[in-house]
Amino acid sequence: GAVVSQHPSWVICKSGTSVKIECRSLDFQATTMFWYRQFPKQSLMLMATSNEGSKATYEQGVEKDKFLINHASLTLSTLTVTSAHPEDSSFYICSARAVQGLDYAFFGQGTRLTVV
Amino acid sequence: AQSVTQPDIHITVSEGASLELRCNYSYGATPYLFWYVQSPGQGLQLLLKYFSGDTLVQGIKGFEAEFKRSQSSFNLRKPSVHWSDAAEYFCAVGHSGGGADGLTFGKGTHLIIQP
Repeated sequence: GAVVSQHPSWVICKSGTSVKIECRSLDFQATTMFWYRQFPKQSLMLMATSNEGSKATYEQGVEKDKFLINHASLTLSTLTVTSAHPEDSSFYICSARAVQGLDYAFFGQGTRLTVV
Repeated sequence: AQSVTQPDIHITVSEGASLELRCNYSYGATPYLFWYVQSPGQGLQLLLKYFSGDTLVQGIKGFEAEFKRSQSSFNLRKPSVHWSDAAEYFCAVGHSGGGADGLTFGKGTHLIIQP
């Protein structure tokens, strides 16, 4: 089956620094990738949708200057949390939709970000 | 705007007993409906989905779900649960096969299995 890999699985960073999270589709090409955020014991909230080669579309209330998304190729999207603060600590999950074939997206295993 | 309601935050079931997890959605057009399972600290695994056709859909791990348009529901069922089914379950709705637009998730139901 289709595999989506996120890296790193977990990261701890100091307040004020930036962190980059990668989302890769390993065995298929993804036109569209989605980034979600999940607070402890809560649901997933869609942050943004990225299409290869174009600017990401952010959901209302998500700061695009804080959460930089790049989708430079059909197999890689990155989320950079800039000037991270403790309130950015969360579980970030990406999903990717194949160019062709199955009409739904596959999820990565998630990245646990802790800002200290 | 679309929304998903999972009324039960926690459900406790004895191993071997049957299970039903409730999901209600609000969406103007024909919904694309999904059930995902999440183990602690892990990503999401797709259990099953409904796009169209037969309203009773079969998924992995012995799960099934029934789409009832009149009740705006998409409840998940399993005839006999195993201890390994303990996890968080999310119902989700999407615009167009969950592809072009991201999914809207319910708040999840935490399933506890009693021995």
